[in-house]
Amino acid sequence: QQQVKQSPQSLIVQKGGIPIINCAYENTAFDYFPWYQQFPGKGPALLIAIRPDVSEKKEGRFTISFNKSAKQFSLHIMDSQPGDSATYFCAASKGSGSEKLVFGKGTKLTVNP
Amino acid sequence: AAGVIQSPRHLIKEKRETATLKCYPIPRHDTVYWYQQGPGQDPQFLISFYEKMQSDKGSIPDRFSAQQFSDYHSELNMSSLELGDSALYFCASSLQAVQPQHFGDGTRLSIL
Repeated sequence: QQQVKQSPQSLIVQKGGIPIINCAYENTAFDYFPWYQQFPGKGPALLIAIRPDVSEKKEGRFTISFNKSAKQFSLHIMDSQPGDSATYFCAASKGSGSEKLVFGKGTKLTVNP
Repeated sequence: AAGVIQSPRHLIKEKRETATLKCYPIPRHDTVYWYQQGPGQDPQFLISFYEKMQSDKGSIPDRFSAQQFSDYHSELNMSSLELGDSALYFCASSLQAVQPQHFGDGTRLSIL
């Protein structure tokens, strides 16, 4: 049973577009929600993270929107660039991020020039 | 900034052999996590250590064992290797309850 459900599985946008990746969770004990970016042959790299007491967080071109009542969160990438082409994973953890990460299945993003 | 170092980066073994994967956390990080990522899959948690003690255990086969040493580096020992063990193995480190997990670039294990 996938504890964190992520969609879409793949996404293609044009340069400058705003791809949106969505995640949903069931376990209300989760209290830390990071997004990781992974390039082929590399480890996941932390992009941005949010805690449930905040509804939105921005870091550069990346924004997380969090809906606690719906148990959903999403990643928006503003002004997307071909260099953003990668696989994006949402994740969830208990214990303010000190415990294991439970990942979504990933979204392969392609940004065309 | 120093990152998580994993060695070796690539490892090729045959069935029923053993393998040892090493992880050197970011300096001053006291918590280490191991994850397994199959082709096209999401990382799956295996095991974690905090201050040299096992802190959590996931879907780790009994054929695998791990430990964290006094200098906080960790080793994942894998025995009786099977074809299904072929995967990327990632180590992540964190400062307990203070920072998020930072991942190394992984060890690609191929079983022939």
